Amino acid sequence: QLQLQESGPGLVKPSETLSLTCTVSGDSISSRSYYWGWIRQSPGKGLEWIGSFYFTGDTYFNPSLKSRVTISLDTSKNQFSLQVTSVTAADTAIYYCARDRRLGSNSQFDVWGQGTLVTVSS
Amino acid sequence: QSALTQPPSASGSPGQSVTISCTGTNSDVGGYNYVSWYQQHPGKAPKLMIYEVNKRPSGVPDRFSGSKSVNTASLTVSGLQAEDEADYYCSSYAGANILLFGGGTKLTVL
Repeated sequence: QLQLQESGPGLVKPSETLSLTCTVSGDSISSRSYYWGWIRQSPGKGLEWIGSFYFTGDTYFNPSLKSRVTISLDTSKNQFSLQVTSVTAADTAIYYCARDRRLGSNSQFDVWGQGTLVTVSS
Repeated sequence: QSALTQPPSASGSPGQSVTISCTGTNSDVGGYNYVSWYQQHPGKAPKLMIYEVNKRPSGVPDRFSGSKSVNTASLTVSGLQAEDEADYYCSSYAGANILLFGGGTKLTVL
C-alpha cells in the first residue's frame, strides 16, 4: 500500500529556508508511471499547488513560487524534498506531498501524505 | 493566473442532491477537460473524487458526479449522506504546465 510521509522542522524563521522531505513507501519515486508533487494549504485557506516532478528531472512549478522553490530527489532513500527560500509569514501552511497522476500536462493527486504544519515566525 | 471561484458554502438534507460550482475562464476550466475535485474532511488530507471533469477513481461512490459547461465545472453529490460533509476543492489545468485550485466550498449536511 502506497504511503507518503512528510517530515521537517515545524518552525522556520523569516528570511530563512524551509526544507521538507517526503518519504515514499509502497512505490518507487523512479516509477515511470507517476510524477510526485507538493501542495500547501494556509491555515483556514484553500489549496495551492507548489510543483511537480518526474524522476528524470522534468519539473514544473507554480509561477508565483518558482523563483524560491527547489524540488530534489534521493532515489536511494525513495525520498523527495522541497526547499522554499526567503520565507515570510505568508509561507505558513500545511505542506502536503502527493503522488501526481499527471496526464496530458494536468496534475491529479491521487495519494497524499498526512501533511505537516510549517510556521514561519521569529 | 487567479484561483478558480467556488461558493464558500453549500448545504443539503440527507438524501437530497447538491451541486457545487467552480468558475474559471476559457484559459483554464473552459479550455481543457482537465478539472478535478477533491474532498477534504477536517484535519485530513484531500482525497481525489473526480478527475478529467467526470471520471471517478476506483472506490469513489457513483453518488459523486462531475460536469462542465463553458467556463464552469460542477460537482454534484446525490443521495447526500452525513459523511459527505466536508470541504470540496476544484482544480483545473491552466496551460503552460500550471495547475490552479479553487478557494473551496464547505458542504454542510443539514
